[in-house]
Amino acid sequence: SYELTQPPSVSVSPGQTATITCSGDALAKQYAHWYQQKPGQAPVLVIYKDNERPSGIPERFSGSSSGTTVTLTISGVQAEDEADYYCQSSDTSFTSYVFGTGTQVTVL
Amino acid sequence: QVQLVESGGGVVQPGRSLRLSCAASGFNFKTYAMHWVRQVPGKGLDWVAVIWSDGTTQYYGESVKGRFTISRDNSENTVFLQMESLRAEDTALYFCAREDLSLGEFLDYWGQGTLVSVSS
Repeated sequence: SYELTQPPSVSVSPGQTATITCSGDALAKQYAHWYQQKPGQAPVLVIYKDNERPSGIPERFSGSSSGTTVTLTISGVQAEDEADYYCQSSDTSFTSYVFGTGTQVTVL
Repeated sequence: QVQLVESGGGVVQPGRSLRLSCAASGFNFKTYAMHWVRQVPGKGLDWVAVIWSDGTTQYYGESVKGRFTISRDNSENTVFLQMESLRAEDTALYFCAREDLSLGEFLDYWGQGTLVSVSS
């Protein structure tokens, strides 16, 4: 199996930009997807295929990819964005899925 | 609207079995792959298993391979997770989620989860 590594925590002031990275060898060949999870709730898909945003997700959420690292960016952070964020990908044979280690975003 | 409702969780002794269910509604269930993902309270997400839309193919995470079995009943819009030889480390909140394989390997809707506690 393989791993996806994220920073444990990110702190950001309201209105500023939060950047969350996710690193893993498989990301050079596979898409990454991002989920937001608030306490006591199920995860919600916020970015898929590196940089696509599902309907209903605010435009301040964006994604990018470079080599073996993908990045979730939250521009103009709001208090409601305080949550845990997980990246996710699959292996190149599409037989195994993996989640990143998770990043807790704190809005100061 | 899309709904996924898990059930079947509870307290079970180590070595025993448990069967989880996930009832789906609001979408064409038989065209979606279905997953189970678990989360130890306060910890990260751990992928458990996937079953393709027609039920012919299943894949499992390393930690459950050989002990858990995912299945589905497309006539009842339900996916199951049969868990055998349960261990303390299987204690977690178990979510079901759907995936449209034609779009990519991401899970676009999740249920609220059912809690499994393995304890003597």
